[in-house]
Amino acid sequence: QVHLVQSGAEVKKTGASVKVSCRGSGYDFSWFGIAWVRQAPGQGLEWMGWISAYDGQTNYAQRFQDRVTMTTDTSTNTAVMELRSLRSDDTAVYYCARALRPISGRYRSADFWGQGTLVTVSS
Amino acid sequence: SYVLTQPPSESVAPGQTARITCGGDNVGSKSVNWFQQKPGQAPLLIVYDDVNRPSGIPERFSGSNSGNTATLAISRVEAGDEADYYCQVWDRKSDLWVFGGGTKLTLL
Repeated sequence: QVHLVQSGAEVKKTGASVKVSCRGSGYDFSWFGIAWVRQAPGQGLEWMGWISAYDGQTNYAQRFQDRVTMTTDTSTNTAVMELRSLRSDDTAVYYCARALRPISGRYRSADFWGQGTLVTVSS
Repeated sequence: SYVLTQPPSESVAPGQTARITCGGDNVGSKSVNWFQQKPGQAPLLIVYDDVNRPSGIPERFSGSNSGNTATLAISRVEAGDEADYYCQVWDRKSDLWVFGGGTKLTLL
């Protein structure tokens, strides 16, 4: 069965960076993408971007374009999302999810999700 | 940018049918996915590409999409269906994913 297991909770200072990892199992990791979605306390879901585990192609939401980097390592079936220049409003639960696409198209949705990683940013 | 609009809350009596809407400009031309999220849990995909259910999702959950509104219907609602529900689409024009604001389903 498909599983995505994320790294543990983080507490960071304003201006610092955070890396959240996501290890996939139970499927061919390189055939899918990984999307990152965050959820601020009491708020809705916000898409941050995706990365193709096949070729490393990325697509970031504009508001994170200059602060986020997504990578994958197919030797360990692990995806990592790094968010830099943290602000207090980056406090959220960060989810990874297996991203899906048609044979010749862009990633459009996600099916299996990780358990979430709480990132707390304070001064 | 593309916007999906959901009612913040819906209430339904146990055993009845709940309908949660997701409005967007010509959303009927897009494929809509629906996620269920219970407190403290990750989202769960319950409907994809407007009308399809992943393996293990009960037939009580169904989707439709036409014009400017997509709808998630939950028949014979039970206590375990209380959750937040989110619709999501891929906007081809911008190549971005868009989530609705979410609807909290409460049983009366």
